[in-house]
Amino acid sequence: SQKIEQNSEALNIQEGKTATLTCNYTNYSPAYLQWYRQDPGRGPVFLLLIRENEKEKRKERLKVTFDTTLKQSLFHITASQPADSATYLCALLLYGNNRLAFGKGNQVVVIP
Amino acid sequence: NAGVTQTPKFRILKIGQSMTLQCAQDMNHNYMYWYRQDPGMGLKLIYYSVGAGITDKGEVPNGYNVSRSTTEDFPLRLELAAPSQTSVYFCASSYLLGDTNYGYTFGSGTRLTVV
Repeated sequence: SQKIEQNSEALNIQEGKTATLTCNYTNYSPAYLQWYRQDPGRGPVFLLLIRENEKEKRKERLKVTFDTTLKQSLFHITASQPADSATYLCALLLYGNNRLAFGKGNQVVVIP
Repeated sequence: NAGVTQTPKFRILKIGQSMTLQCAQDMNHNYMYWYRQDPGMGLKLIYYSVGAGITDKGEVPNGYNVSRSTTEDFPLRLELAAPSQTSVYFCASSYLLGDTNYGYTFGSGTRLTVV
């Protein structure tokens, strides 16, 4: 069956360091992958999209990589700040299908 | 520009009651979705719509119904509420540019408790 896996343990990181999150998937062949941020009590907010033919995408302090051979995406927050504390969700868009399947999310806590 | 608006924000229902969760978007998006999110679980797709008059089931449609009579509105109906429907419900919308869906816009959610 199709599965999207994100680390269930919260990532605690010192302010200024780089936070790295992993998203692994099985039995998917996604056309592209997206990352979202979710704050407590709020809906997810779209951050970045990366296509299957792109290796890396950047937006300000965020960087996403996408390895279709390993079936893995890495999400990096450089120079992390306390305001980056949130849960980050990866989501896959299936071929020929515009529905997103979401991972359970990975919480990041940036310690001042 | 309000984005995606969901009402109500909170609701307590008794077992067997019915209700409609409202969702409206003002971005002229053709795609709309309903997800539920349970603690520690990912978002699960309930129903979706690719345009006015067209709806289809997602992963967990049982106990729910939808309609899409206009581009803007996509209400979710719960019939005969059950405790298993206690969850946070999110409505989302998106558009296609070519073959690319440039991210979903989510509402702020409806927290539903069935007692």
